[in-house]
Amino acid sequence: DTGVSQNPRHKITKRGQNVTFRCDPISEHNRLYWYRQTLGQGPEFLTYFQNEAQLEKSRLLSDRFSAERPKGSFSTLEIQRTEQGDSAMYLCASSPTGLAGSRTGELFFGEGSRLTVL
Amino acid sequence: AQTVTQSQPEMSVQEAETVTLSCTYDTSENNYYLFWYKQPPSRQMILVIRQEAYKQQNATENRFSVNFQKAAKSFSLKISDSQLGDTAMYFCAFLLASGGSYIPTFGRGTSLIVHP
Repeated sequence: DTGVSQNPRHKITKRGQNVTFRCDPISEHNRLYWYRQTLGQGPEFLTYFQNEAQLEKSRLLSDRFSAERPKGSFSTLEIQRTEQGDSAMYLCASSPTGLAGSRTGELFFGEGSRLTVL
Repeated sequence: AQTVTQSQPEMSVQEAETVTLSCTYDTSENNYYLFWYKQPPSRQMILVIRQEAYKQQNATENRFSVNFQKAAKSFSLKISDSQLGDTAMYFCAFLLASGGSYIPTFGRGTSLIVHP
């Protein structure tokens, strides 16, 4: 078990370009979350998958954002036509279902992908 | 919708002393979980401690303990014998136990600095 892996760790792009982030969750974790975090703020929910199904998207998520989780394994988050306001840390977290006892509800986070839009 | 409020943007404490971080939340539900997560500088967020709302006993994990006041919707974190490695952002989080979308809501965080 190597933990949640996110790539790239850092991305600098020009406004208007597309970027894609990848998240590899812990094996057999069927829940996967994307959060966005800006300086001085807590993680803000973007979207949530259970297996390959995208069950919920934040209403704050614009149409420029899309996420996939093919085959219920890794996930990608794509931002099209980036804007300076998209600059943030994008966090991925995973969680198993049916985790009993003291671990129920715990999210396991990756180190995040930091996006800077110039 | 549930909300989580952390009213202390920054806190500091001397090494070996005790510090308490505050968290309040708003919900009309009765069955939920509360969490404190720690995010060290440039490292991933990890769970510190977890509380189930139906349990009256406050959770403890070594030097970390909570004061859970369900009626007041308050969930504070006490760190005893503070260590330099406790320097981090601390986030309070709320999760409905059932009937919800199973998506944790986080507060804005408290930056804790432990001084030698």
